[in-house]
Amino acid sequence: GDSVTQMEGPVTLSEEAFLTINCTYTATGYPSLFWYVQYPGEGLQLLLKATKADDKGSNKGFEATYRKETTSFHLEKGSVQVSDSAVYFCALSGASGGYNKLIFGAGTRLAVHP
Amino acid sequence: GAVVSQHPSWVICKSGTSVKIECRSLDFQATTMFWYRQFPKQSLMLMATSNEGSKATYEQGVEKDKFLINHASLTLSTLTVTSAHPEDSSFYICSARASAARAYEQYFGPGTRLTVT
Repeated sequence: GDSVTQMEGPVTLSEEAFLTINCTYTATGYPSLFWYVQYPGEGLQLLLKATKADDKGSNKGFEATYRKETTSFHLEKGSVQVSDSAVYFCALSGASGGYNKLIFGAGTRLAVHP
Repeated sequence: GAVVSQHPSWVICKSGTSVKIECRSLDFQATTMFWYRQFPKQSLMLMATSNEGSKATYEQGVEKDKFLINHASLTLSTLTVTSAHPEDSSFYICSARASAARAYEQYFGPGTRLTVT
């Protein structure tokens, strides 16, 4: 079945460091790919999305490129801030589960220190 | 943005009792609500999808008689864990979606941590 695999956390970085969180997927068809972020005590929020191969999603300095050839959607940010500390979830929809469902990875906790 | 609340945020109950979790969309009408379950260090697993006024659609392997879902209004859905056992201890998350919205246009609640002793 469809699945999403992302790197285990926690990821601990100093402020202004470069961030990469790896995400790979297994899916039939042509899924759409997403990154969600969950700040402490809050619900998941859509951070960015890409709906077809080679699309780049971006928001708040974060970027991810939909790479069909490597089935990946790695999240990057050039300079992280303390306020970026959160749990990040990679997700897909539109594969065998249909467009009504989201399939999530396990989440990666990011801790940024001053 | 749209806000979804869950109540309670944390609950402890004794084995064999039932517990109800509420999910509310505070500033929009949620035609569809989703219930997820998350185990430590694991993905959010979709349990069921409910449309207002209809019976919920449960994912394969989810016991519908154990996890009762009611979506009686456009702003409220409830999940009742009946005859809870320690293995039901988990983090339960709901999300809500307005009509005609796409799958990713879901707004998530902050989650409810259930501990069954």
